[in-house]
Amino acid sequence: AQSVTQPDIHITVSEGASLELRCNYSYGATPYLFWYVQSPGQGLQLLLKYFSGDTLVQGIKGFEAEFKRSQSSFNLRKPSVHWSDAAEYFCAVGAISRVGATNKLIFGTGTLLAVQP
Amino acid sequence: NAGVMQNPRHLVRRRGQEARLRCSPMKGHSHVYWYRQLPEEGLKFMVYLQKENIIDESGMPKERFSAEFPKEGPSILRIQQVVRGDSAAYFCASSPATGGAKETQYFGPGTRLLVL
Repeated sequence: AQSVTQPDIHITVSEGASLELRCNYSYGATPYLFWYVQSPGQGLQLLLKYFSGDTLVQGIKGFEAEFKRSQSSFNLRKPSVHWSDAAEYFCAVGAISRVGATNKLIFGTGTLLAVQP
Repeated sequence: NAGVMQNPRHLVRRRGQEARLRCSPMKGHSHVYWYRQLPEEGLKFMVYLQKENIIDESGMPKERFSAEFPKEGPSILRIQQVVRGDSAAYFCASSPATGGAKETQYFGPGTRLLVL
């Protein structure tokens, strides 16, 4: 079955420190992978996405993610965290529905990031 | 260019009432998706619609829930006879007409439903 696992429910980092959020997926074919960020009371904003090609993808706000097929992982990284990065981060895989080319997203349970001054 | 609009942002209903959630996709988008986020959980797919058609409703509960996306006007997610377990945040997303698995979905701010 298709699934996404985010093993860390909460992470706290100091401002200026590096960040890595883990994401593992289970999907039979080449996955379409996404990272979204959700600020409190807000909708989801796309940070970056991977479809094919270069396994290191760059996103907005200084984020990047690396696709590792051998580890079924798509970890999100940022070299230096800012206080405004405090939010909840969701990893998702785009799944093809049996009814056709449905871009159904399967989400992980999210990682809540806190940033200490 | 306005983003995905959802209203109301917050909705309070008593058990047994109906909840009606609205979603206006981004301009030029004709594909709409509804997701539900239960407390402490990630988003779960509910239904995928194109104009006047339900394409995939595999995530919809079998009873009390329905969705539509008419030729004119917003997409509507309707929950009849709400129960406390329906309390959640409901998010709508839209994508361009080309659709497909690679299309980015743009999310609205969500409707937070509270059932008393």
